[in-house]
Amino acid sequence: DAGITQSPRYKITETGRQVTLMCHQTWSHSYMFWYRQDLGHGLRLIYYSAAADITDKGEVPDGYVVSRSKTENFPLTLESATRSQTSVYFCASSESSDIYGYTFGSGTRLTVV
Amino acid sequence: KQEVTQIPAALSVPEGENLVLNCSFTDSAIYNLQWFRQDPGKGLTSLLLIQSSQREQTSGRLNASLDKSSGRSTLYIAASQPGDSATYLCAVKGDNDMRFGAGTRLTVKP
Repeated sequence: DAGITQSPRYKITETGRQVTLMCHQTWSHSYMFWYRQDLGHGLRLIYYSAAADITDKGEVPDGYVVSRSKTENFPLTLESATRSQTSVYFCASSESSDIYGYTFGSGTRLTVV
Repeated sequence: KQEVTQIPAALSVPEGENLVLNCSFTDSAIYNLQWFRQDPGKGLTSLLLIQSSQREQTSGRLNASLDKSSGRSTLYIAASQPGDSATYLCAVKGDNDMRFGAGTRLTVKP
């Protein structure tokens, strides 16, 4: 099916563990983004990518690592999870032109215990 | 740094009312503005996208306006229904990323 899919939908992990959230899109959009959504802060940009092998930091990148070896995939890794990283994570994609809006995945709810 | 504010944070109306949700932003140098709907525990669904050169966009009972010079956008919902109950988010697109407001939580009572 065409679209943007995130996996897993729910994840519980322990403090200090590494965890990777997956994002896959089928449109070949140039841009991909990772946001986190927290009560009181709204959606904040973690990292974004303008194309394969090009990534850049957003507003809250500390503690996260991204890669983009293929246009369609944009995984987000928490190298050593902390409780403050408990959040809902959303992946989004967009065409390269400024006139386009964003399309979001369904989100991953991550709990760090 | 772009700041996006949505007022009110929550709104409760009886079914059938027309209503307006507000969004303001501090930097008028935007490419576009997008309104999203988010149901509890779900992702964001795009409702309307307004380019910086446009004044408004319409889709069914929804109408969004944009006044870039004053840093304001409104989302007008006509003849509200219980199924419209959700959180509505506005987001403005500048260089490199999109900035979001915290949302307005709308409840439409039957």
